[in-house]
Amino acid sequence: AQKVTQAQTEISVVEKEDVTLDCVYETRDTTYYLFWYKQPPSGELVFLIRRNSFDEQNEISGRYSWNFQKSTSSFNFTITASQVVDSAVYFCALSEFDTSYDKVIFGPGTSLSVIP
Amino acid sequence: DVKVTQSSRYLVKRTGEKVFLECVQDMDHENMFWYRQDPGLGLRLIYFSYDVKMKEKGDIPEGYSVSREKKERFSLILESASTNQTSMYLCASSLWGGGLFFGSGTQLSVL
Repeated sequence: AQKVTQAQTEISVVEKEDVTLDCVYETRDTTYYLFWYKQPPSGELVFLIRRNSFDEQNEISGRYSWNFQKSTSSFNFTITASQVVDSAVYFCALSEFDTSYDKVIFGPGTSLSVIP
Repeated sequence: DVKVTQSSRYLVKRTGEKVFLECVQDMDHENMFWYRQDPGLGLRLIYFSYDVKMKEKGDIPEGYSVSREKKERFSLILESASTNQTSMYLCASSLWGGGLFFGSGTQLSVL
């Protein structure tokens, strides 16, 4: 069965610090998608990134970077030089390939507080 | 820009009322989803639809039904609202494998 674990329930950092959010997943499929979503206090879930299981290249987008390692079933998310606007709940998610729909399994989320 | 619109941001209903939550997407996505989000329980899938007039139960369908008469619209129905259905309801749509795009959510309170 598929499962997503985010062991860090809450993290607090001081502004400008770097922070890494951990994500570990379980799946029996060899083909799958991984995602990160951000949920700011306003409540809307915002799509950040999608990665398919064949692409292990790390990705950088501005202050955000993602490290995908199939060997450890991890898809970690790093925010460099954190800002107060980064305060949100972040969800890691998994979708398996062999479904005819996008049934996405979400992790429990990590609440990030960036303190000015 | 991708757009998923939920008809109400906040809703207050009485126990026993029939409640309709509407969701519309303008991206021509095949798949649509209803989740509920509760503190400590995360996001749980209620129902989803991968085509017009098609629907599938998610993880917690009890007490809910759905309707998808047109591709762009997916409605969640609470036949007889109960207090334990007080929650944040999130609608999403997707193209297969492309990731879910969410609406801004409806905070439903059942009194």
